[in-house]
Amino acid sequence: EVQLVESGGGLVQPGRSLKLSCVASGFTFSNYGMNWIRQAPGKGLEWVAYISSGSSYIYYAETVKGRFTISRDNAKNTLYLQMTSLRSEDTALYYCARPGKNYGGFAYWGQGTLVTVSS
Amino acid sequence: DIVMTQTPSSQAVSAGEKVTMSCKSSQSLLYSENKKNYLAWYQQKPGQSPKLLISWASTRESGVPDRFIGSGSGTDFTLTISSVQAEDLAVYYCEQYYDTPNTFGAGTKLELK
Repeated sequence: EVQLVESGGGLVQPGRSLKLSCVASGFTFSNYGMNWIRQAPGKGLEWVAYISSGSSYIYYAETVKGRFTISRDNAKNTLYLQMTSLRSEDTALYYCARPGKNYGGFAYWGQGTLVTVSS
Repeated sequence: DIVMTQTPSSQAVSAGEKVTMSCKSSQSLLYSENKKNYLAWYQQKPGQSPKLLISWASTRESGVPDRFIGSGSGTDFTLTISSVQAEDLAVYYCEQYYDTPNTFGAGTKLELK
């Protein structure tokens, strides 16, 4: 069974940093590109970042480019999101997500980790 | 970025009703080389992670009831629930994966009439 378990969220002051993790199990992690997607409280879904299976290709939403860094450790089956210069508008539930075998859409999601940026 | 527009934003329904919701994209999601539409539908219930219902505009995911039907092509797409059940009350999102950044619609919330 595919499992994605995020951690690392919490309350952080504006301008500070935070690093999220997503531990994957139940599949060959190194075979799949991975994504971070966030959802502000009571709002819709916003794709944040993508990293290819071997880390060769990385893409970011414009709203986080230059502040967030996605990375992965295939030996540890873990996806990361390093967030710096955090703003109040970054407050959200952060999900890691994986496409399905037909690569259409995000078939697997974690339960999310909540990041609250507030003084 | 490709803008995804969903209508209506909310809809009150009764059990057993047929429901349709729309998703329009600001540019075509049909890739000419493989004739596939890069469009997915998700269901999100309160307190839960989104669940992928349909990919490639009309391919139902394994385990998704056949009352959920995705249709459309190009820029206009529809999610139909042929006979709404109480457990279908949720927010439904469409998403395009034709181009980076992936973008989502704002959602259609199904509520009980």
